[in-house]
Amino acid sequence: AQKVTQAQTEISVVEKEDVTLDCVYETRDTTYYLFWYKQPPSGELVFLIRRNSFDEQNEISGRYSWNFQKSTSSFNFTITASQVVDSAVYFCALSEDLTGSSNTGKLIFGQGTTLQVKP
Amino acid sequence: DTAVSQTPKYLVTQMGNDKSIKCEQNLGHDTMYWYKQDSKKFLKIMFSYNNKELIINETVPNRFSPKSPDKAHLNLHINSLELGDSAVYFCASSQSRLAGGLRNEQFFGPGTRLTVL
Repeated sequence: AQKVTQAQTEISVVEKEDVTLDCVYETRDTTYYLFWYKQPPSGELVFLIRRNSFDEQNEISGRYSWNFQKSTSSFNFTITASQVVDSAVYFCALSEDLTGSSNTGKLIFGQGTTLQVKP
Repeated sequence: DTAVSQTPKYLVTQMGNDKSIKCEQNLGHDTMYWYKQDSKKFLKIMFSYNNKELIINETVPNRFSPKSPDKAHLNLHINSLELGDSAVYFCASSQSRLAGGLRNEQFFGPGTRLTVL
């Protein structure tokens, strides 16, 4: 069964601290896609990154970095030198690459982690 | 230019009423989705259309009916609204429903906060 678990419900840090948001997933498929989305207090969902299951290379984008490890079924997200503007709910999501009509592209979301960055 | 837009942004209505939420995307995408976000922030897929064809219909009460007049629009009509329907409804679109090899990340609209009194 497909499942995404974000065990950290809420995290609070002080500005300039580094913070890692955990994401663990379950899937029966060998090819799948993982995503991170940000939901700031204004409510919209902002796409951050997509990672393919066959590409385990870690990625860095500015202060953001992602660590994908198939061996532990994890796709963790680290914010370096956090800022108040990073305060948001962060969602990890999974999409399976199924064949035929089963391939709907739907996203299975984790429960979300609320990150509060204090000045 | 807004990529994925939804109207209205807020909707307050009485139990038993019928209401619609509209979604439009100007990205030229083939696939559109409706998600529901409950009070605990949990996001769950409801429906998806690919080129006007329904491809996802999760376990949703049949009071909810999606309609896609063309691939740029996906509307959600809800009959006989109930208190439990109160939530934020997000529309999203992606280039293709096929995950492999194509850019399948979904871009979301701003959400419609529905409150049923």
